[in-house]
Amino acid sequence: SQQGEEDPQALSIQEGENATMNCSYKTSINNLQWYRQNSGRGLVHLILIRSNEREKHSGRLRVTLDTSKKSSSLLITASRAADTASYFCATDDTGANSKLTFGKGITLSVRP
Amino acid sequence: DGGITQSPKYLFRKEGQNVTLSCEQNLNHDAMYWYRQDPGQGLRLIYYSQIVNDFQKGDIAEGYSVSREKKESFPLTVTSAQKNPTAFYLCASSIRQGNQPQHFGDGTRLSIL
Repeated sequence: SQQGEEDPQALSIQEGENATMNCSYKTSINNLQWYRQNSGRGLVHLILIRSNEREKHSGRLRVTLDTSKKSSSLLITASRAADTASYFCATDDTGANSKLTFGKGITLSVRP
Repeated sequence: DGGITQSPKYLFRKEGQNVTLSCEQNLNHDAMYWYRQDPGQGLRLIYYSQIVNDFQKGDIAEGYSVSREKKESFPLTVTSAQKNPTAFYLCASSIRQGNQPQHFGDGTRLSIL
C-alpha cells in the first residue's frame, strides 16, 4: 500500500529556477524522507525530517513538514541540469514496524 | 569505499526457472531490505531483515524468498511462482530499522526470456 502521494507527477523548469515538490500522506508518521533517483540507478537519500520538526535545510534543499495537514514540501533552489532526476517521498509510519512507504515519485527536468 | 553492491546489473529468467539476485553491503548495517520498482508504481517492499538469521515479509512477498546468514549479505530468490517478475529490483540497508535513512544499491533489472 502506498502512503505518500507526490505532486506534481512531472515538473520541467529552467536552470536557475526553484523547484517545489509536494508530498501528502494519510496516517501518522515517525519521520518523512526525500530521496532522489537518477535514471537506471538506485535511490540516494536527501533529507530526513522527524514528526516534531517543521523545517530542515541541507545545502540548496529545504524541506517543510506540516503534520496537521499531513503534507511535506521539498524546495530545490537555484536548480541545475544535474538536478534532473526522479524524487520520492517516503514515510516511516507509526505502528508499521518502522518500514518505509514510498510514493510514486516526481520526475524533475531542468533545462540548461 | 563503503556501500551496497548488487549483482548482476541485468538478469534474464527462463520460464520455470528460479534466479537469485545478490546484495552485499560493507556498511556494517543491521537492517537490509528488498524493493521492487515498476514503472509508475514507486517502490514496493518485498522482504526485510532487522538482524542476521531473521527476516520478515513485506507487502509483496509472494513468489520471492530470502536468506540472511551473514550480516553483509541478503540475497533474493525470484521463484517460478512469481508470474510477473519483470521489474527493477533494489536492495537497501540502514544502520538499524526505524528513523534511519536507507542506502541503496544500483539495482538489478530482471527480464523474462
